[in-house]
Amino acid sequence: DIQMTQSPSSLSASVGDRVTITCQASQDISNYLNWYQQKPGKAPSLLIYDASNVDSGVPSRFSGSGSGTDFTLTITSLQPEDIATYYCQHYASFPPTFGQGTKLEI
Amino acid sequence: QVTLRESGPALVKPTQTLTLTCTFSGFSLTGEFCMSWIRQPPGKALEWLALLDWDDDKFYTSSLKTRLSISKDTSKNQVVLTMTNMDPVDTATYYCARTLSSTSAIFDLWGPGTLVTVSS
Repeated sequence: DIQMTQSPSSLSASVGDRVTITCQASQDISNYLNWYQQKPGKAPSLLIYDASNVDSGVPSRFSGSGSGTDFTLTITSLQPEDIATYYCQHYASFPPTFGQGTKLEI
Repeated sequence: QVTLRESGPALVKPTQTLTLTCTFSGFSLTGEFCMSWIRQPPGKALEWLALLDWDDDKFYTSSLKTRLSISKDTSKNQVVLTMTNMDPVDTATYYCARTLSSTSAIFDLWGPGTLVTVSS
């Protein structure tokens, strides 16, 4: 199975900050990488698919980049409603696997 | 309106079989979307369990393959997951998630989840 490693595991930032979360795959996954946001007590929701495509309805302050093994989720100008845990997930092969999550606090 | 909702027992005993149902509306599994089950133990990360595609092909995580079964009832717009021989380590919130395809496992819509506790 392909292992996904996120860093950091937790992050504290201030409103208006630029935040970067990284995700590393244990092997080349091309751009088969998604990002999800999970707010406390809620189900995850899709933010970014295919490494850099923002899902419909997602604020423009969210962006994704990367290919191969190294990927980044960036939030420009952090907002209070961005408090959540963020997960990356690959789908280059079965099984699709998730990173361990990055908990973002403000 | 596109919706998904999981249903099933909140509590099961060790060794029992768990049956979860995902009831959906606003889309079709016949040639349009697939469906996956994903779980999350309390305070832990997400784990993909199974996928059912529009050709009725089934995919399972290897570590649980012998215990899992996924199926659909097209007439009721439902997808069912069964997991045998439940253990306390299977305590988790179980989600069904609409999936774009078996080759593009993008989970674009999730149900609210159902918490299953395994305890005697």
